Amino acid sequence: EAEVAQSPRYKITEKSQAVAFWCDPISGHATLYWYRQILGQGPELLVQFQDESVVDDSQLPKDRFSAERLKGVDSTLKIQPAELGDSAMYLCASSWSGSPSYNEQFFGPGTRLTVL
Amino acid sequence: EDQVTQSPEALRLQEGESSSLNCSYTVSGLRGLFWYRQDPGKGPEFLFTLYSAGEEKEKERLKATLTKKESFLHITAPKPEDSATYLCAVQEAGRRALTFGSGTRLQVQP
Repeated sequence: EAEVAQSPRYKITEKSQAVAFWCDPISGHATLYWYRQILGQGPELLVQFQDESVVDDSQLPKDRFSAERLKGVDSTLKIQPAELGDSAMYLCASSWSGSPSYNEQFFGPGTRLTVL
Repeated sequence: EDQVTQSPEALRLQEGESSSLNCSYTVSGLRGLFWYRQDPGKGPEFLFTLYSAGEEKEKERLKATLTKKESFLHITAPKPEDSATYLCAVQEAGRRALTFGSGTRLQVQP
């Protein structure tokens, strides 16, 4: 069964350092999402890609976060510099964009980030 | 702004004790309502999508229903392996991103 892949699964870093997360969506899924989930809360959207283009990054803290999907397949989310408040689970999801699908989103296992 | 409220925050059941989880939502034009299951330390696992009021979907011991203001996830005769956090999310018309509630943590004791 096709799955969304993410790496690393766990990352511990010190504040002010740079971190990067990688996501490989399900093959054929044109839409890719990065969500952040703080412990005890639901996921919140950071950025959404349609192919290689950013569709929604209104909640992305652009002073320190960046995301790219250069070839419209896999994607990288970067934080520089990391802050204590960035400690969370970073989830990648993908969905098929064809019609008449209502675009169920399938999530990867996530990257647990701890900032010390 | 879309809002999703789930209740209760936590629920403890005995094995076989049926119950329901609630998801109340406010959205400008509902495209879909989604239920996910999330185990500790893992990503959410897709369960159901509901599109219109009156719709129902079932999977094993789970049944999801939808009205114009809320959705229920009914759990019939739960087993310990049903223990997880259940997340509800809405998709607004014209958008693909989901707005999630904070989830209900379900614990089923043998």
